[in-house]
Amino acid sequence: DGGITQSPKYLFRKEGQNVTLSCEQNLNHDAMYWYRQDPGQGLRLIYYSQIVNDFQKGDIAEGYSVSREKKESFPLTVTSAQKNPTAFYLCASSRAATVYEQYFGPGTRLTVT
Amino acid sequence: GQQLNQSPQSMFIQEGEDVSMNCTSSSIFNTWLWYKQDPGEGPVLLIALYKAGELTSNGRLTAQFGITRKDSFLNISASIPSDVGIYFCAGRYTGANSKLTFGKGITLSVRP
Repeated sequence: DGGITQSPKYLFRKEGQNVTLSCEQNLNHDAMYWYRQDPGQGLRLIYYSQIVNDFQKGDIAEGYSVSREKKESFPLTVTSAQKNPTAFYLCASSRAATVYEQYFGPGTRLTVT
Repeated sequence: GQQLNQSPQSMFIQEGEDVSMNCTSSSIFNTWLWYKQDPGEGPVLLIALYKAGELTSNGRLTAQFGITRKDSFLNISASIPSDVGIYFCAGRYTGANSKLTFGKGITLSVRP
């Protein structure tokens, strides 16, 4: 089955530690995205990548970093510089950056204490 | 940035009832998407709209791209318990390199 996988589903970290969230897709999509979701809020774009080895900052990139070494993978690192890292993180992909139908993974809930 | 308005924040209906929700913007949008999110899961794309006035159905769901291009509507007919969830609208406004903007969502509860 084609789709997007995110792992792990739940992640717990101590304050001051970096943590990397995994996102893999087998849809052969060129574009991938990371969003953050807080309770009662819409999705906010962290980073996006239109093609391998290229990525751009979204609206709330501070404290996050990404890489896109393979078409299928777009990992997100939440660094210790992110002031409020506890949130639900969603990865999405679309066939191309100019195709606006985005498909989402199941999400990773990160809790930092 | 651009904002999409969805209200009310929560809606409560009886099983079997129809429900309508809308999404508005102060800017002209050229794409509207509707998603449903179950608790603790990722949003699932329900309907995509690309043309002003377009009316598209997906089972009991019908969505419309408003004529003014500043709004979109989602209707759910004959609601069932599994319709419970958060319904998000998303849109792309006209402008170079613009990305999807998401509304804050409407939480729908269905009483059996």
